[in-house]
Amino acid sequence: QVQVVESGGGVVQPGESLRVSCAAPGHIFSDNGMHWVRQAPGKGLEWVSFISYHSTNMYYADSVKGRFTISRDNSKNTVSLQMDSLRTEDTGVYYCVGPSWWSFEFWGQGTLVTVSS
Amino acid sequence: DVVMTQSPLSLPVTLGQPASISCRSSQSLVYSDGNIYLNWFQQRPGQSPRRLIYMVSNRDSGVPDRFSGSGSGTDFTLSISRVEAEDVGVYYCMQATHWPPWTFGQGTKVEIK
Repeated sequence: QVQVVESGGGVVQPGESLRVSCAAPGHIFSDNGMHWVRQAPGKGLEWVSFISYHSTNMYYADSVKGRFTISRDNSKNTVSLQMDSLRTEDTGVYYCVGPSWWSFEFWGQGTLVTVSS
Repeated sequence: DVVMTQSPLSLPVTLGQPASISCRSSQSLVYSDGNIYLNWFQQRPGQSPRRLIYMVSNRDSGVPDRFSGSGSGTDFTLSISRVEAEDVGVYYCMQATHWPPWTFGQGTKVEIK
């Protein structure tokens, strides 16, 4: 059973920071880019960020650009999303998705981020 | 950015009857390598999304053959030949041809009449 596992979600106040992480099996993680996709409560899916295998290319949705930073540790098969200056509209479930830039084949169970005063 | 427009947004269906969901993109989804990177996902209540179809018409392993995908250029369709109770959920199309950003349709909610 393939497993992508997210962690790190929680409740924070507007303006605060949070870091979510994802661990994936080697055969998904190795040589592949990884994405973060989020879903606000009761809403649809929104792509957030992508990182290539060697961290050469990183992309962000306009809604998070300048506030979120994606990174990865290939020695540990993990990818992280550092989220700063959080806003109430960042509330939602954050999914780690791979492999590659186009596949979106494997999704984790998601981690819930709640931004509320 | 490529806009993905799904219709209908709500689809009440009778068990055993066929159903189809349309997905239109604001520009052609043919990539420079000649492929079309259009995926379909199913999200059952309380679950993570699951990919059903990749590159327009390729069914994922374990996906029942009552699901099929078709289309070209800017118009795509997900079809269910005979709807079963386990098919209830929200279905999304997504394009991975023109990025960033990668973009999803609004979602179509399938429910049983």
